Amino acid sequence: GAVVSQHPSWVICKSGTSVKIECRSLDFQATTMFWYRQFPKQSLMLMATSNEGSKATYEQGVEKDKFLINHASLTLSTLTVTSAHPEDSSFYICSASWANKETQYFGPGTRLLVL
Amino acid sequence: QQQVKQSPQSLIVQKGGISIINCAYENTAFDYFPWYQQFPGKGPALLIAIRPDVSEKKEGRFTISFNKSAKQFSLHIMDSQPGDSATYFCAASMLGYQLIWGAGTKLIIKP
Repeated sequence: GAVVSQHPSWVICKSGTSVKIECRSLDFQATTMFWYRQFPKQSLMLMATSNEGSKATYEQGVEKDKFLINHASLTLSTLTVTSAHPEDSSFYICSASWANKETQYFGPGTRLLVL
Repeated sequence: QQQVKQSPQSLIVQKGGISIINCAYENTAFDYFPWYQQFPGKGPALLIAIRPDVSEKKEGRFTISFNKSAKQFSLHIMDSQPGDSATYFCAASMLGYQLIWGAGTKLIIKP
């Protein structure tokens, strides 16, 4: 149980385009979803926390207009990287929880490469 | 005070040996301490977790030791296998809020 999927698993796009990443909880209803960014050989950096039906809470330094997060249902959250640039290239990972925020189940990640 | 300091950064252990990764924290309000395992190109997976009311928790070959007075906790992997080669992250949270992550330890088990 507690399976989280992400789509796509990898994406290559041109600079200036927008990319949408989906995160789904497959066998549970996720009241909270998290979006992380991970650079090579580094720890996870929390970008934002979203609760179903409400606006996401972004961490300090994360541009809200660049990283649009939508948590429209209890099983789906999306991260849209708008006007992507090469510096946005990274590994993006979502996680989901239902009871509290401490027990998080992670998706497999999406590798984004912006050319 | 919100930091979780993890060491070592990397670790090489012979097959069959014991792998030990340590974490230290400052905030005494932390009440949940999980360890995650991450393979290259994959998301982290919860391995084992402990709360401060116990000093040790064991699940198979994985054991968390918790020292409340020293504000430290560690992951021990007994009989380490090549398949255990991965990056391990400790984390902490309080009152059910979001996780504070350690920097990670890259573990290599040599056959």
